[in-house]
Amino acid sequence: AQKVTQAQTEISVVEKEDVTLDCVYETRDTTYYLFWYKQPPSGELVFLIRRNSFDEQNEISGRYSWNFQKSTSSFNFTITASQVVDSAVYFCALSEANFGNEKLTFGTGTRLTIIP
Amino acid sequence: DVKVTQSSRYLVKRTGEKVFLECVQDMDHENMFWYRQDPGLGLRLIYFSYDVKMKEKGDIPEGYSVSREKKERFSLILESASTNQTSMYLCASSLRAGQRQPQHFGDGTRLSIL
Repeated sequence: AQKVTQAQTEISVVEKEDVTLDCVYETRDTTYYLFWYKQPPSGELVFLIRRNSFDEQNEISGRYSWNFQKSTSSFNFTITASQVVDSAVYFCALSEANFGNEKLTFGTGTRLTIIP
Repeated sequence: DVKVTQSSRYLVKRTGEKVFLECVQDMDHENMFWYRQDPGLGLRLIYFSYDVKMKEKGDIPEGYSVSREKKERFSLILESASTNQTSMYLCASSLRAGQRQPQHFGDGTRLSIL
């Protein structure tokens, strides 16, 4: 069975600090997809990134970067120079590649608070 | 942009009532999903559908049913609401079956069962 663990329940940092959100996953499949979503106080989940298991290249998008390491089954998310607008709950999620099974397994989320 | 619209933002119902939560997407997506979100538990999948009139159970289908008569609309039904179904309910859709496209979410319905 697939599982996603986000061990950090809540994190608070002062604005402009860097912060890393951890995500560790478990799956028996060799082909799978990993996702990060952001849930601001308004409630709607916003898609941030998708990564498949064959692509271990790290990704950078502005102040956001993701570090995918299959050896440690981790897909960590770093925000550089954090801003108040980054305050949200962040979810990591995993989807195995079985056709017809589009199920996403979510972690329990990390609540990030950026202190002005 | 994809728009997933849930019929109510807040809903209060009584124990034993039959409750309908409606979700509509406007981008011709094949897949639609219903999740519930509870503190400390993250999002858990209730049901999903990859085509009209097709449905698959998720992790926690007990006490729920779904209906998908049209491609754009996916309804979640609580047959006889109970207090342990008080939760935030999130609907999502994604483009094509088998492609693991990102799921797009609605704003959620916060349901209280009294």
